Amino acid sequence: AQKVTQAQTEISVVEKEDVTLDCVYETRDTTYYLFWYKQPPSGELVFLIRRNSFDEQNEISGRYSWNFQKSTSSFNFTITASQVVDSAVYFCALSDITSGTYKYIFGTGTRLKVLA
Amino acid sequence: DTEVTQTPKHLVMGMTNKKSLKCEQHMGHRAMYWYKQKAKKPPELMFVYSYEKLSINESVPSRFSPECPNSSLLNLHLHALQPEDSALYLCASSQDRTGPGNTIYFGEGSWLTVV
Repeated sequence: AQKVTQAQTEISVVEKEDVTLDCVYETRDTTYYLFWYKQPPSGELVFLIRRNSFDEQNEISGRYSWNFQKSTSSFNFTITASQVVDSAVYFCALSDITSGTYKYIFGTGTRLKVLA
Repeated sequence: DTEVTQTPKHLVMGMTNKKSLKCEQHMGHRAMYWYKQKAKKPPELMFVYSYEKLSINESVPSRFSPECPNSSLLNLHLHALQPEDSALYLCASSQDRTGPGNTIYFGEGSWLTVV
């Protein structure tokens, strides 16, 4: 069965520290996609990245970077030099053939607090 | 700024009221979604419309009634709700390519309180 695990419920860091949010997934499909979303207190889920199962290249976008490792079924997210504006809940999600066109399997989210 | 807009942002309604949540997207997407999110939980899928037809209903109680007037608009009609229905309701949209991997874009949500 598909599953996404975000074991870190809440993380607190001081501004300018680096922080890594973990995401471990389970799927039997060979074709699947992984996503990260940010949800600030305002409520909107903001799309950050999509990665497919055939592309294991790491991705960097400004202070954000993602490390996809199929060998460990992980898709971890690192924020470098964190800022107060990074404070939010971050969700990792999985979409695969089994779940179909419209369904995401969400993790339970990690609440990140960046302290000034 | 989000390209999926939702109104109202906040709604307080009594258990006997009838109200509606509205959503509009301007990305030319042909799939639209309603999600419900309780505090400290991930979003839960309620309904999916594909090309203006209801494609998925996740066994949602009939007091929630979706409507898709056209490819850009999505409504959620609310009637006789219970206090436990208080939650953040998120509208979303995506392209409608067959198979996994469609990126879902969310609106800012409507915070609903049932009193």
